[in-house]
Amino acid sequence: GAVVSQHPSWVICKSGTSVKIECRSLDFQATTMFWYRQFPKQSLMLMATSNEGSKATYEQGVEKDKFLINHASLTLSTLTVTSAHPEDSSFYICSASLVRAFFGQGTRLTVV
Amino acid sequence: DQQVKQNSPSLSVQEGRISILNCDYTNSMFDYFLWYKKYPAEGPTFLISISSIKDKNEDGRFTVFLNKSAKHLSLHIVPSQPGDSAVYFCAASANTGNQFYFGTGTSLTVIP
Repeated sequence: GAVVSQHPSWVICKSGTSVKIECRSLDFQATTMFWYRQFPKQSLMLMATSNEGSKATYEQGVEKDKFLINHASLTLSTLTVTSAHPEDSSFYICSASLVRAFFGQGTRLTVV
Repeated sequence: DQQVKQNSPSLSVQEGRISILNCDYTNSMFDYFLWYKKYPAEGPTFLISISSIKDKNEDGRFTVFLNKSAKHLSLHIVPSQPGDSAVYFCAASANTGNQFYFGTGTSLTVIP
């Protein structure tokens, strides 16, 4: 089946630094990818829709200047958390759809 | 506004018995529904799906039922096994796009 690969699976960074998370569709082309964030005991909250070759669409309340999304090719979308703070610590998951949604393994971000 | 709701945050079931997880939705445009299983610190994995033209779909121990008039779907796991212990998310999408809306999840614990 279709596979979406997310990297890194776990990252710790210092407050004020930036972290890039990659999401790749391994065996299919994805013009659209989605980035989610999960807080403890909460659902997957859609952050933004990543569109290949154009600007990402952000959900209400998500700071686009803080969460930079780049979808440079049909198989790669990146999420960069800029000037990270401890409150950005969370589990980030990407997905791409081919009939149904396929998810990456997720990235556990801890900002210290 | 939560368009997909799972009102039971947790469920405990004895091994061998039936697990029933429920999901309600509000958007009548949803026509494709999925259940995902998620372990801690991992991305969700697809379990089973159903389209709005059907009211039941079965795959081994897993059966999903859809009641369109009530905007309700349920996942039945029979017999339940300890390895089924995880968080289960239901998700829905409309034929207008490939964005999926997720419920808040139900944490299932199967007691040996």
